[in-house]
Amino acid sequence: KAGVTQTPRYLIKTRGQQVTLSCSPISGHRSVSWYQQTPGQGLQFLFEYFSETQRNKGNFPGRFSGRQFSNSRSEMNVSTLELGDSALYLCASSLDSHSPLHFGNGTRLTVT
Amino acid sequence: DQQVKQNSPSLSVQEGRISILNCDYTNSMFDYFLWYKKYPAEGPTFLISISSIKDKNEDGRFTVFLNKSAKHLSLHIVPSQPGDSAVYFCAATSGTGANNLFFGTGTRLTVIP
Repeated sequence: KAGVTQTPRYLIKTRGQQVTLSCSPISGHRSVSWYQQTPGQGLQFLFEYFSETQRNKGNFPGRFSGRQFSNSRSEMNVSTLELGDSALYLCASSLDSHSPLHFGNGTRLTVT
Repeated sequence: DQQVKQNSPSLSVQEGRISILNCDYTNSMFDYFLWYKKYPAEGPTFLISISSIKDKNEDGRFTVFLNKSAKHLSLHIVPSQPGDSAVYFCAATSGTGANNLFFGTGTRLTVIP
């Protein structure tokens, strides 16, 4: 069974631009979550989608948004990029709320 | 406010010896704890978990200990192998859903051959 797939693996953007990251969950997994990982901050929860609905949202500004499609694939969008948005963005899928998360390899975003 | 803390950013251990990674939490409502392992350029992978009704859970070379009164858990790896070199994250939850899962900042383990 294929794992969680995130594209692209690396991105370089400049301040003020916007970016869209993509995540394909494990087949059959309906829950998709997004995390931001920065040095010294661990994994910070961004949002969680289940059956195309945002179920939960973390403490991030409105510049961070996402959506989930009917095939459970999810996208995350960051608008008006800031230098502090440079991070590893991880997507995770799970069968349901009680199951451990399965992470993708992440998208490394660098904002210059 | 960091509810889950890993105060040691790094740890070096000789191959064959025991590695002990520590994690502290502040929320007494947490009732399920997990450890994830992360290699460079890869996402975290689930390693082992423990429910608050237990104080120990073992899986091969990996054992997690939970001390609820001290709000402390630890991961023991015996014997340590070079392939164990990675960043280890502990996580804790008091409910279901990814929004209720709180991660520590990670400890980088280096096992020296």
